[in-house]
Amino acid sequence: KQEVTQIPAALSVPEGENLVLNCSFTDSAIYNLQWFRQDPGKGLTSLLLIQSSQREQTSGRLNASLDKSSGRSTLYIAASQPGDSATYLCAAYSGGYQKVTFGTGTKLQVIP
Amino acid sequence: GAGVSQSPRYKVTKRGQDVALRCDPISGHVSLYWYRQALGQGPEFLTYFNYEAQQDKSGLPNDRFSAERPEGSISTLTIQRTEQRDSAMYRCASSTRTGGTYNEQFFGPGTRLTVL
Repeated sequence: KQEVTQIPAALSVPEGENLVLNCSFTDSAIYNLQWFRQDPGKGLTSLLLIQSSQREQTSGRLNASLDKSSGRSTLYIAASQPGDSATYLCAAYSGGYQKVTFGTGTKLQVIP
Repeated sequence: GAGVSQSPRYKVTKRGQDVALRCDPISGHVSLYWYRQALGQGPEFLTYFNYEAQQDKSGLPNDRFSAERPEGSISTLTIQRTEQRDSAMYRCASSTRTGGTYNEQFFGPGTRLTVL
């Protein structure tokens, strides 16, 4: 059974700082690894999706990497802004129907 | 260009009542998934449909929960005799398939269920 863990559970940083969010998964036979953002009471916003054949994806100030052999993914946020404050979820696609297993999230607060 | 839609967005019900939650996937998406998200947790898988066939219901917590997708498009998740512990955000997602590959899942806004 796939298990996804995110560390840290919460993070508070000053504006402008670069930061890394970590995600680990137990079953390396994944198809995709996706990072989401969730604002309080809101839906899931997809940030980046890394296919199993890829090692990283970039979008603006975000960069996500995937190392299947070690069961890890990281989300790098450059020059953080208060608007980046949200909960970040990583999700692994695995199993016969590629059902998504989510981590419990990292709650990020960027202080102006 | 509509995304996945869900209705109602909010549902408040009394314990013991039945509720039906609707998911309208992106047109042409053959795969449909239901997830449940408790407060402070990530979403957890409930069930999966390929067209109209329910192919995995391993995540349904008990037999009060059921789902259907009779015409391979809209899906309904039904919870009978609701209990307070059923209170959560229920999310639906859909995706396309390319051969044996399942592609990115697109999530709906969710239905917030509160059981009093």
